[in-house]
Amino acid sequence: QQQVKQSPQSLIVQKGGISIINCAYENTAFDYFPWYQQFPGKGPALLIAIRPDVSEKKEGRFTISFNKSAKQFSLHIMDSQPGDSATYFCAASRSLRTGTASKLTFGTGTRLQVTL
Amino acid sequence: NAGVMQNPRHLVRRRGQEARLRCSPMKGHSHVYWYRQLPEEGLKFMVYLQKENIIDESGMPKERFSAEFPKEGPSILRIQQVVRGDSAAYFCASSPASGGRETQYFGPGTRLLVL
Repeated sequence: QQQVKQSPQSLIVQKGGISIINCAYENTAFDYFPWYQQFPGKGPALLIAIRPDVSEKKEGRFTISFNKSAKQFSLHIMDSQPGDSATYFCAASRSLRTGTASKLTFGTGTRLQVTL
Repeated sequence: NAGVMQNPRHLVRRRGQEARLRCSPMKGHSHVYWYRQLPEEGLKFMVYLQKENIIDESGMPKERFSAEFPKEGPSILRIQQVVRGDSAAYFCASSPASGGRETQYFGPGTRLLVL
């Protein structure tokens, strides 16, 4: 019930191409879906997040697409750059009655390599 | 505006010793979360604390692990009698008490190596 499944495990994209990472969740109580970017030796950094009341959110080259009925969401990186090479994690959480967020349940990560 | 701070960044312990990891949340944040990341794996939730309260410790092993977030000072994750399987990166995240409460900001992590 708490799982978040992420694919692919690794991805190689040419510079300028589109990187697409997919996630699926099981727990319908989840109501917050962030994506994090992690470089080797660093902590995860929040990239973009979405709530289930919208189907798409775009920030610069990063877009989240959300399909509530299918319980799936994906990250699209447009015009991928070598500097985007990192590990990307999707995650999900649910709001608690106190109004705060519960723990994040993470996907297993996607290692993206953008080649020249 | 300093981000989440963790220290030490690297910690080496021998089996049976204690490891103490510290986390100072972002200014104005009163919620702290601890996660563990094994090599080549995703982050796994351990514990969620507010000042002087443990809210959710469902991800923390029942033995040897404890966490606190006192009224003053950083949050501490304590691992007693460490074993080799405790070797991992431990990340702390914080979130505000109001406004954007769901957003968790991560620190740089403490990499624990147990010899």
